[in-house]
Amino acid sequence: DAKTTQPPSMDCAEGRAANLPCNHSTISGNEYVYWYRQIHSQGPQYIIHGLKNNETNEMASLIITEDRKSSTLILPHATLRDTAVYYCIVRAYYNNNDMRFGAGTRLTVKP
Amino acid sequence: DGGITQSPKYLFRKEGQNVTLSCEQNLNHDAMYWYRQDPGQGLRLIYYSQIVNDFQKGDIAEGYSVSREKKESFPLTVTSAQKNPTAFYLCASSPRDRERYGYTFGSGTRLTVV
Repeated sequence: DAKTTQPPSMDCAEGRAANLPCNHSTISGNEYVYWYRQIHSQGPQYIIHGLKNNETNEMASLIITEDRKSSTLILPHATLRDTAVYYCIVRAYYNNNDMRFGAGTRLTVKP
Repeated sequence: DGGITQSPKYLFRKEGQNVTLSCEQNLNHDAMYWYRQDPGQGLRLIYYSQIVNDFQKGDIAEGYSVSREKKESFPLTVTSAQKNPTAFYLCASSPRDRERYGYTFGSGTRLTVV
């Protein structure tokens, strides 16, 4: 599985959009990009995933560059409850192994 | 509602004792996983199981053991051979079509060895 690089921490003002970047320059054609988040002392929560098209659901939007070497998770109107560690993971769909969670980005939403 | 139940939420054990952490899911998921998380760190895979009666070691399996006798259950035993067992332990599961639905995690068990 390709490795990912995320900034260790970010701040965002409440009500503004939070844009979390992820670099995955070694991604291969059959690897998906997944995003999870972990609120303090809880299990990670699935947010969104995509292959090459941009994706949107009720929680967030995922923008993947055309060369697929980076992506951005967008929380359109961040709230204090969005404060969490956000993990970007790249993984092939046929991979029978687990997902590898790195250190992620600690997002702090401030009032 | 379907989900994953980990119990207990907090567990205290004396050094040298084995301890078993419970993980039960009623999602009818095929695969189950155990991760360990240390303060300020990401998740590290201990063991995973794709089907009943089969499991594979992850990155840090030494000092741990698992069983998968039922689809719904994947208990983790932390043995006395684990040098530094104090950590937050997370169990997860995924369906066969994991690419569409991702992983579902339990709320974790915080183990403290004194």
